[in-house]
Amino acid sequence: QSALTQPASVSGSPGQSITISCTGTSSDVGTSNLVSWYQQHPDKAPKIIVFEGTKRPSGVTNRFSGSKSGNTASLTISGLQPEDEADYFCCSYAGGSAWMFGGGTKVTVL
Amino acid sequence: QVQLVQAGAEFKKPGASVKVSCKASGYAFNVYYIHWVRQAPGQGLEWMGWISPDSGGANYAQRFQGRVTMTRDTSISTVYMEVSSLKSDDTAVYYCARVHLGSYYYDYWGQGTLVTVSS
Repeated sequence: QSALTQPASVSGSPGQSITISCTGTSSDVGTSNLVSWYQQHPDKAPKIIVFEGTKRPSGVTNRFSGSKSGNTASLTISGLQPEDEADYFCCSYAGGSAWMFGGGTKVTVL
Repeated sequence: QVQLVQAGAEFKKPGASVKVSCKASGYAFNVYYIHWVRQAPGQGLEWMGWISPDSGGANYAQRFQGRVTMTRDTSISTVYMEVSSLKSDDTAVYYCARVHLGSYYYDYWGQGTLVTVSS
């Protein structure tokens, strides 16, 4: 199984909105709403920010939102802040008790 | 509070094996699946597999089958992952992560264990 496809990098100015895509297939992203998104700062463990495609855990800012269309899931960060500069990974259940990650997207706040 | 605490860094020679531990606390150990995820330097996250702490049953990513073994010791609330026949490209930070009950996402992560493979 290949990794889910994410753009290598996305950038934006403070206050802007950016969207990160995560493209899979009808066997993983497209087959269910079991995509999650993680934020990872340098030398830190990943942190959950969106699960089941669109839901946010308690304590996560509503500036993060998730969506899905067909085989592509997306993460939108609204009102970009300096602390949003990090790597972002999508993850999906891939069937057959397997999971898979996207290659990761580096977000830069200009 | 929920914690997953992993052992310290390991340095291994090619061909050797490494066993990484992940000690859970603050919750009912048997109830939550634990997955292992690794991250090579400067690279993305790679899913390796999972273990059920209750039954001990495990499932591995296809590329690691035959080379990775996940086990647990319920008496000390610890899961282990052993990787054999190490190669230099196994150099990575290895994370354990807990799956949120009834869903498909990781709600808690260990701090990671750096495994360096070099001659």
